[in-house]
Amino acid sequence: DAKTTQPPSMDCAEGRAANLPCNHSTISGNEYVYWYRQIHSQGPQYIIHGLKNNETNEMASLIITEDRKSSTLILPHATLRDTAVYYCIVRSDSSYKLIFGSGTRLLVRP
Amino acid sequence: GAGVSQSPSNKVTEKGKDVELRCDPISGHTALYWYRQSLGQGLEFLIYFQGNSAPDKSGLPSDRFSAERTGGSVSTLTIQRTQQEDSAVYLCASSLDYGGLAKNIQYFGAGTRLSVL
Repeated sequence: DAKTTQPPSMDCAEGRAANLPCNHSTISGNEYVYWYRQIHSQGPQYIIHGLKNNETNEMASLIITEDRKSSTLILPHATLRDTAVYYCIVRSDSSYKLIFGSGTRLLVRP
Repeated sequence: GAGVSQSPSNKVTEKGKDVELRCDPISGHTALYWYRQSLGQGLEFLIYFQGNSAPDKSGLPSDRFSAERTGGSVSTLTIQRTQQEDSAVYLCASSLDYGGLAKNIQYFGAGTRLSVL
């Protein structure tokens, strides 16, 4: 599975959009981009995933560049409850496991 | 509906004792996964079950670790002769099994925090 690179930490103001970047320059054609988050003392929570098209659900939007070498997770109106570590993961159809990196620690400020 | 349930939520044991950690997956999920998260570390994969069989045990750190799954549902992770370095949060996840593995979304439980004194 391709390696991902994320900034170690970010912050944003409550009510504003949080844009979390992820680089995955070695991604191959059959690999998906997944986003999970982990709020303190809880298990990871699935947010969204995509292959090549942009995706949106009730939690977030995922923007994948045309060359698929990077993506951005967007939380449109961040709340204090969105403070967590966000993990960008690339996963292929041949892999059972999720490989978690260090993630981005997002702090939402009041 | 009910999510992935793990028990106990916390376990304190003495070095050298055996421990059993339990995972109840989401009903109907055929795939089950165990991960471990040590303090300040990322999550590391331990084992994957498809039904009752474990095609991938590659992440089990030593032969003191074993896992089984019965009836295609509940799974137990057993650590024999625990060591202090086994202290970690043990997380279980489950998923449906579509044709493409990458589409199978893994849903996690809250974990069992194991402390070996």
